Amino acid sequence: DGGITQSPKYLFRKEGQNVTLSCEQNLNHDAMYWYRQDPGQGLRLIYYSQIVNDFQKGDIAEGYSVSREKKESFPLTVTSAQKNPTAFYLCASSVDEGNTIYFGEGSWLTVV
Amino acid sequence: GENVEQHPSTLSVQEGDSAVIKCTYSDSASNYFPWYKQELGKGPQLIIDIRSNVGEKKDQRIAVTLNKTAKHFSLHITETQPEDSAVYFCAASLGGSQGNLIFGKGTKLSVKP
Repeated sequence: DGGITQSPKYLFRKEGQNVTLSCEQNLNHDAMYWYRQDPGQGLRLIYYSQIVNDFQKGDIAEGYSVSREKKESFPLTVTSAQKNPTAFYLCASSVDEGNTIYFGEGSWLTVV
Repeated sequence: GENVEQHPSTLSVQEGDSAVIKCTYSDSASNYFPWYKQELGKGPQLIIDIRSNVGEKKDQRIAVTLNKTAKHFSLHITETQPEDSAVYFCAASLGGSQGNLIFGKGTKLSVKP
């Protein structure tokens, strides 16, 4: 099936540890995105990538890092520098930066 | 910065009634306005979108209207059903970039049978 796969669905980490969330898409989309969602809030853009080996910061990039070594993969690392990492993280993709965005099923990260 | 305001934050309707969710945006260059439906614990799904050269778009029980002069757009759901219960998000493109979206804070719609 074609789509966007995020893993793991649920992740628990201790404070001070880095954690990496996986996002893979087999839609042949050039653009990929990471959003953060907090309860009662809209989606906020963390990072986006329009093409392999290139990415830009979104509105809340501090404490996060990404890589885009392959077209189909856009992993997000939540570093210990992120002050409030507990949230629902959504990966998305689009054919290119000028087209409709489609979302994955999300990953819940809880830091204790 | 640019923003999108969405109202109401919660909406409860009786099955069969209509539901209307309204959004206003600040970026006068926005030209793409999608609506997403998000069920609990899942990713948002695109349900309808509209571009700035169109005033209204319909898809079965769902319609979206756009008033570019007033910078607001609305989602209309007719003949609501319990399975319409979810959180709905509006979004507006930042400038002319369809892939760079600003989201509203969402509306939790509850349809009572």
